[in-house]
Amino acid sequence: AQSVTQLDSHVSVSEGTPVLLRCNYSSSYSPSLFWYVQHPNKGLQLLLKYTSAATLVKGINGFEAEFKKSETSFHLTKPSAHMSDAAEYFCVVSVLSGGYNKLIFGAGTRLAVHP
Amino acid sequence: SQTIHQWPATLVQPVGSPLSLECTVEGTSNPNLYWYRQAAGRGLQLLFYSVGIGQISSEVPQNLSASRPQDRQFILSSKKLLLSDSGFYLCAWSPTSGSVGQFFGPGTRLTVL
Repeated sequence: AQSVTQLDSHVSVSEGTPVLLRCNYSSSYSPSLFWYVQHPNKGLQLLLKYTSAATLVKGINGFEAEFKKSETSFHLTKPSAHMSDAAEYFCVVSVLSGGYNKLIFGAGTRLAVHP
Repeated sequence: SQTIHQWPATLVQPVGSPLSLECTVEGTSNPNLYWYRQAAGRGLQLLFYSVGIGQISSEVPQNLSASRPQDRQFILSSKKLLLSDSGFYLCAWSPTSGSVGQFFGPGTRLTVL
């Protein structure tokens, strides 16, 4: 069965320092993986997606993620945090189910950015 | 480009009252449509999905129902709200083929008192 584990429920960084949000997945076949961001009381915005092309995926707002099959990981990184990056981040795996691509969400990581 | 709309943005309703939340998508045809609920401090729970007009699948048994009267319109309803129906409701769409992810609307904050 496919699943996603986000290893940290909260991450706190200082503005200008690197961001690392960790995600491990479980999938019986080559997965499609996504990172979404949600600001308070807003919908989810797609940051980036991996769909079996390049293993290093670049997304919006300077974020990127690397698909590592040997480690079953898809960690999200950003070289330098900005105050506007404070939000909740969801790692997601896509599963073909009932004729559509069902999304399996991780529990989320809340990122706090301090001045 | 595609856009997705939800209304109302916020709603406060008494227990036992009916509910109707609307979602519309522009700029695409025959999308898959989804309703999610996000309870406070929790992840997203898929409530319903639809692969076409009049085709609704329910993921979990509950007090809610969904309908798709038009290709790009998805409605979430209840005849009698419960306190436990409070939450943040998100509508999403995706293309019918390929795994490109889903695209979410701005959400509706529902508070049942």
